[in-house]
Amino acid sequence: ILNVEQSPQSLHVQEGDSTNFTCSFPSSNFYALHWYRWETAKSPEALFVMTLNGDEKKKGRISATLNTKEGYSYLYIKGSQPEDSATYLCAPSANQAGTALIFGKGTTLSVSS
Amino acid sequence: DTGVSQNPRHKITKRGQNVTFRCDPISEHNRLYWYRQTLGQGPEFLTYFQNEAQLEKSRLLSDRFSAERPKGSFSTLEIQRTEQGDSAMYLCASSYYQGGLTDTQYFGPGTRLTVL
Repeated sequence: ILNVEQSPQSLHVQEGDSTNFTCSFPSSNFYALHWYRWETAKSPEALFVMTLNGDEKKKGRISATLNTKEGYSYLYIKGSQPEDSATYLCAPSANQAGTALIFGKGTTLSVSS
Repeated sequence: DTGVSQNPRHKITKRGQNVTFRCDPISEHNRLYWYRQTLGQGPEFLTYFQNEAQLEKSRLLSDRFSAERPKGSFSTLEIQRTEQGDSAMYLCASSYYQGGLTDTQYFGPGTRLTVL
């Protein structure tokens, strides 16, 4: 069973601040890593899927990096806005078929204007 | 088609009752997944279908839980003899798998179950 750790558990920043979160996972038997953003009362939204060591993905002000050898991924948000307030979840795939995702507990971001 | 839909959005039931949830995936998606999220935890994988075949089940899926996807389109998740520990958010996701290591799972808004 994969042990996925996310830190910090929660974070409060001011509008315009840049921030980053960490997702740690076992480096052995790595297949893929997913990042999701989940706003209250909405569906979890897929942000990135990363498979290769050194991968970097970007979507607007949000970017992510992946280090499969040491088992971590960083998610960065540049110039946080109140609409970025959400829980950010990372999820490695548990198997080669990419079916079962193993989610961390998430990092809850709150951005004040 | 605007995404994965789930019904109902909320369900309150008494312990011992049976409940059924429905998930309608994105059209043409061949994979459908069920997850459960309890308070303070991330979503936990329960089961998945490729077309109408249920190919994987988590140990979390006790005998009281059954899922179906009869025509490879919508799916139902039934919980029999509900227990207070079943109170959770039940999430459905779908994806279009074309081979390769992974695909993106698109989630619905979930069904929140409260067992009294």
